[in-house]
Amino acid sequence: DQQVKQNSPSLSVQEGRISILNCDYTNSMFDYFLWYKKYPAEGPTFLISISSIKDKNEDGRFTVFLNKSAKHLSLHIVPSQPGDSAVYFCAASYTGRRALTFGSGTRLQVQP
Amino acid sequence: DAGVIQSPRHEVTEMGQEVTLRCKPISGHDYLFWYRQTMMRGLELLIYFNNNVPIDDSGMPEDRFSAKMPNASFSTLKIQPSEPRDSAVYFCASSPSGLRRTDTQYFGPGTRLTVL
Repeated sequence: DQQVKQNSPSLSVQEGRISILNCDYTNSMFDYFLWYKKYPAEGPTFLISISSIKDKNEDGRFTVFLNKSAKHLSLHIVPSQPGDSAVYFCAASYTGRRALTFGSGTRLQVQP
Repeated sequence: DAGVIQSPRHEVTEMGQEVTLRCKPISGHDYLFWYRQTMMRGLELLIYFNNNVPIDDSGMPEDRFSAKMPNASFSTLKIQPSEPRDSAVYFCASSPSGLRRTDTQYFGPGTRLTVL
């Protein structure tokens, strides 16, 4: 029973274009969402987060959008760079629980 | 700051053997998490501790798995006996306590376990 789903295992985009990574969740208790980035042979690193009281959060080239009614969030990377090539994990938590529930990840490849 | 330290980085063992994975969290962090990454299930939580006390171990697959945190700077995840299906990358993560939801988790580099 996957509570956080990333239905696209992989995505390929051209350098300079927009990358859009999607994530769906089923647990209505989730009120905090994060994106982590993972390079090979390294642990995941925090990228950006959003609270359920917001519908958008921006940090440089990275923007996360949250649609609570659809239980959907997305990560936009503009413009995409070759160094963004990595696996991106969507994660969620709820108040009172510090552990994260992760999606299965999306491998992004940015072509030069 | 050295970050979260895990050892060994790679472990190859034979089915039936005992395996012990080790983790040193970031100093001052009160939460410690053990995750496992597999192709089939992605990144899943096994157990987490707060101030050395296990809070949620519902993700531990079965009795063959056990985790301890004897002090604030050290934790172990033990598998006894190990099975081929335990082959995965095991991550340890830590985070500070506090009320801020922005207290994110910091991951170690992982231990790649192969059980033959």
